[in-house]
Order: sequence, then structure tokens, then C-alpha cells
Amino acid sequence: GAVVSQHPSWVICKSGTSVKIECRSLDFQATTMFWYRQFPKQSLMLMATSNEGSKATYEQGVEKDKFLINHASLTLSTLTVTSAHPEDSSFYICSAKTSGSNTGELFFGEGSRLTVL
Amino acid sequence: DAKTTQPPSMDCAEGRAANLPCNHSTISGNEYVYWYRQIHSQGPQYIIHGLKNNETNEMASLIITEDRKSSTLILPHATLRDTAVYYCIVRLNAGGTSYGKLTFGQGTILTVHP
Repeated sequence: GAVVSQHPSWVICKSGTSVKIECRSLDFQATTMFWYRQFPKQSLMLMATSNEGSKATYEQGVEKDKFLINHASLTLSTLTVTSAHPEDSSFYICSAKTSGSNTGELFFGEGSRLTVL
Repeated sequence: DAKTTQPPSMDCAEGRAANLPCNHSTISGNEYVYWYRQIHSQGPQYIIHGLKNNETNEMASLIITEDRKSSTLILPHATLRDTAVYYCIVRLNAGGTSYGKLTFGQGTILTVHP
């Protein structure tokens, strides 16, 4: 199946700093990517939908100014957690939809674990 | 997307079949049943999906009842590496702005033991 890669796989940062997480589709073009967040022992929660060349669509309760999403190309979307605080510590996962795909499969990255001290 | 109900946890002996049930009594006619799994500290992995007919691939089989109100994911010969959280998701397939937005429930924690 198609491969989605995230980087970094884990990051530790100090409170107040910003952290950027990359999501790349390695062998296909992704017009749409999705960002999820998962707290320990909880399920995945969709944060936002990232569309190439346009603004992201955020789910209710997700601060767009805190979680900046950029989808500048068909193979790369980035999530920047600005002024991170300990409560932002979580497992961030992206998924990608292939262009024109009707198979229904969505491919997920390996996840990025953020720890804010 | 229709809501799904899954048992919180299940056990299975290695080498035996693991049968994971899912109830989706409010599923609509054009919604598909998808199964994903998440091994600890990894991203979800697609397993299988179907609409009406039973489906089989190299990973698993999906049995959907005739009224489509429930389904069962079958791992024919479970291994220790199949220990994971299994998510049953019901949603529309291609098209529409909601395409790709998966709503994850709590899933079933499957533990395969020796």
C-alpha cells in the first residue's frame, strides 16, 4: 500500500517553544491530508483537514492559531504546534487520501509523539 | 457517520481465529464498514472494508450480516503481533467533503496470548 511518513517520530521541547511535524506521502500525491491527536489510552481525535493549496479546515474546539497547518505541495503537510505547553503533549498522527482514489483506503503515518516539558 | 459499538477487550490464543464483532445498527445504505487496527505507539493500519458482501484479503475476512447492522472481523490464525486496538468504522466511501474524515470510537483491545 501507499506510504505516509511522519517526522520527527518523537520530540521533546520546552514549554513556550514551537514544534513542527511533517507528514509526507512518499509514493503518491495527496490532495487531502488529515491530522489527528491521540492522548494516552484514548482514541484518535480528528483535529483538521489539510487541503493542498488552500486553508485547512479545523474541527470544533481546535485552535487554528495554535495548530498551524500548511499543505504547500501534493506530498507534504506540516503541523506546527505554536507556544507548546505540557497539555499539548500527545501523539499526533496524519493520514492521507490519494488523489482521485475511490478505493476508500486512507493511509496513516507512524505518528509523532510530542512531549512538552 | 453511523456510530459503531465494539466490546472493549477480547482475548485470543495464538494460532486460533480471532472474531471481533461490531454493531452498526444505524448504518445507511451507502455507508461502508471499515476496519483499522493500531498497534501500540504506531499509526492506524488499514485492514479491510466492505459494503454488503463478505470480503477477504491477505490479512483478514469481513463478514457483514444481511441487514448490515453488524459485522465481524476474522483474523484466521492470530499471532502475537496481532495484539492491537481494532477499530470498526462506518462511513461513506469516495466523494464528498467528509471523505477521509474517520471517526474513531474506542475500539476493541485484542490481546493474543501464547
